[in-house]
Amino acid sequence: KAGVTQTPRYLIKTRGQQVTLSCSPISGHRSVSWYQQTPGQGLQFLFEYFSETQRNKGNFPGRFSGRQFSNSRSEMNVSTLELGDSALYLCASSPQLGDYGYTFGSGTRLTVV
Amino acid sequence: KNEVEQSPQNLTAQEGEFITINCSYSVGISALHWLQQHPGGGIVSLFMLSSGKKKHGRLIATINIQEKHSSLHITASHPRDSAVYICAASPNTGNQFYFGTGTSLTVIP
Repeated sequence: KAGVTQTPRYLIKTRGQQVTLSCSPISGHRSVSWYQQTPGQGLQFLFEYFSETQRNKGNFPGRFSGRQFSNSRSEMNVSTLELGDSALYLCASSPQLGDYGYTFGSGTRLTVV
Repeated sequence: KNEVEQSPQNLTAQEGEFITINCSYSVGISALHWLQQHPGGGIVSLFMLSSGKKKHGRLIATINIQEKHSSLHITASHPRDSAVYICAASPNTGNQFYFGTGTSLTVIP
């Protein structure tokens, strides 16, 4: 079966712009969570969506937002990009909220210049 | 202080060696995960543990709930095992992970 699909794989943006990343979960998975990975901070949790509602949020500024659609696909948006937002953004899906059978996507590598 | 600590940060081994990566956590958990990340970024979930021991091929993961400690063992290591191994804790409250900083493993032929 198809895995978690993240698009695009690579992205270059300039400071001040905004960006939208997409995550399509495994068919039947209803929970999607997002993570940021940087060399300095490692992996950090951004937020988790279930049934089109944000259920939990990590310690990130309001510039980071997301949403989930009725087909469980999720988008993450970062506004007013900063150089420090350059990172690998990963999403993971699981069948239910709090179900720890997570499957990760390959990530979107965002570079802010 | 990080909720999850991993050691060592870097590890180089000869092919065939037995490898151990350690993870300690300070929060109450409902599950402990071991993840593998290859160059290029893709992450694979190796194990999810809440007690005892699990084995998959040459990989073995153990957890001691009382000591808040988990280990990942690789037997008969192979160059294709070269990757970053990340320990992640799912706390009792909330639905998020706390991640260790990862162990970068290089297995030399």
